[in-house]
Amino acid sequence: GAGVSQSPSNKVTEKGKDVELRCDPISGHTALYWYRQSLGQGLEFLIYFQGNSAPDKSGLPSDRFSAERTGGSVSTLTIQRTQQEDSAVYLCASSSRGTGANVLTFGAGSRLTVL
Amino acid sequence: DQQVKQNSPSLSVQEGRISILNCDYTNSMFDYFLWYKKYPAEGPTFLISISSIKDKNEDGRFTVFLNKSAKHLSLHIVPSQPGDSAVYFCAENSNSGYALNFGKGTSLLVTP
Repeated sequence: GAGVSQSPSNKVTEKGKDVELRCDPISGHTALYWYRQSLGQGLEFLIYFQGNSAPDKSGLPSDRFSAERTGGSVSTLTIQRTQQEDSAVYLCASSSRGTGANVLTFGAGSRLTVL
Repeated sequence: DQQVKQNSPSLSVQEGRISILNCDYTNSMFDYFLWYKKYPAEGPTFLISISSIKDKNEDGRFTVFLNKSAKHLSLHIVPSQPGDSAVYFCAENSNSGYALNFGKGTSLLVTP
């Protein structure tokens, strides 16, 4: 696609429920990233996929968070047993590896509210 | 501990004047710094970058200055326009990883 697509744009859930957030990156981009932005905070790195390599999961805040990337394209971020502190905007980005600065192109985000 | 720090959460500037957004960093091993701009309810968009071997990069109204001895960089916007009102993030692209480390952002308001 022309840009990074994320769905849903808004999700309200009850504490303890599981949620899935989807990201469709730019076609041809080999790298995919998940970040989140909590209220008043910066962009917190969560996880990074590059081609067929093992993902860098170093930013995942707990084992309730997981992500997968199927076929090197679409990615799903899953949060199990959601907590109120999981409320944030979850941003997906993609990039193509090359020379120069690693410019990430972001989607509009999925706003998650846990009641 | 945060590797990229934006110590000013907000900045207000009059239209036509210069906006200066600052960023400090701790990790000297980087390849590039990038600036992103974010409007409400939208994802961040790339603005300008600077390589570690440069001390200045200019693109239209936007100029980024890098002071490696002080571990400091700044983004200058001249002249500022009301449409520049947004949150600006600086990000570090270190050679130890490919993900970007972002600061907490500075909210810029340009008043008419």
